[in-house]
Amino acid sequence: AQRVTQPEKLLSVFKGAPVELKCNYSYSGSPELFWYVQYSRQRLQLLLRHISRESIKGFTADLNKGETSFHLKKPFAQEEDSAMYYCAPGDSSYKLIFGSGTRLLVRP
Amino acid sequence: KAGVTQTPRYLIKTRGQQVTLSCSPISGHRSVSWYQQTPGQGLQFLFEYFSETQRNKGNFPGRFSGRQFSNSRSEMNVSTLELGDSALYLCASSLRTSGQYNEQFFGPGTRLTVL
Repeated sequence: AQRVTQPEKLLSVFKGAPVELKCNYSYSGSPELFWYVQYSRQRLQLLLRHISRESIKGFTADLNKGETSFHLKKPFAQEEDSAMYYCAPGDSSYKLIFGSGTRLLVRP
Repeated sequence: KAGVTQTPRYLIKTRGQQVTLSCSPISGHRSVSWYQQTPGQGLQFLFEYFSETQRNKGNFPGRFSGRQFSNSRSEMNVSTLELGDSALYLCASSLRTSGQYNEQFFGPGTRLTVL
């Protein structure tokens, strides 16, 4: 069965601290991995995708196929990073399997 | 370019009624996917339409159905509403270019409350 686990419901850090949002997945085949973000009162939007290997807003995500993990990291959190983050594997079927989400709260 | 639009934004219905939600994709996008978001189950895939055909379906009962029109606008219908159908319904559109995965752009959602 396809499944995504985001173990932390809430992650609270102080501004300037490193952040790591964990994601583990169980998925048949070779999915593409995505992180979506939802800021307060905004739409769900794509933050980054594994295949592009980009750093977006200072965030990077490391795919570990052996551990089937795709953790999201940022070395120095900013207050504007406070949001809900969702990990989601997907494939060419355009069916995204979302994790339960992690709320990141960055305190001043 | 205008984003994905969904109408209505809020709906209140009673058990047993049916409801139709509408989604207008970004101009040029031909794929529309629907998701249900609830506090208990999170974001769950309902179905995806491309070129007026349902391409994929999630694990929802037959009361949930949809369709897509020739202009790529999509509607989803829920019949015989249950209290548990109360949720935020999101649609997402994409170019769906052959051979690669294209980003999905989400709408603001329709908040359905079933009393």
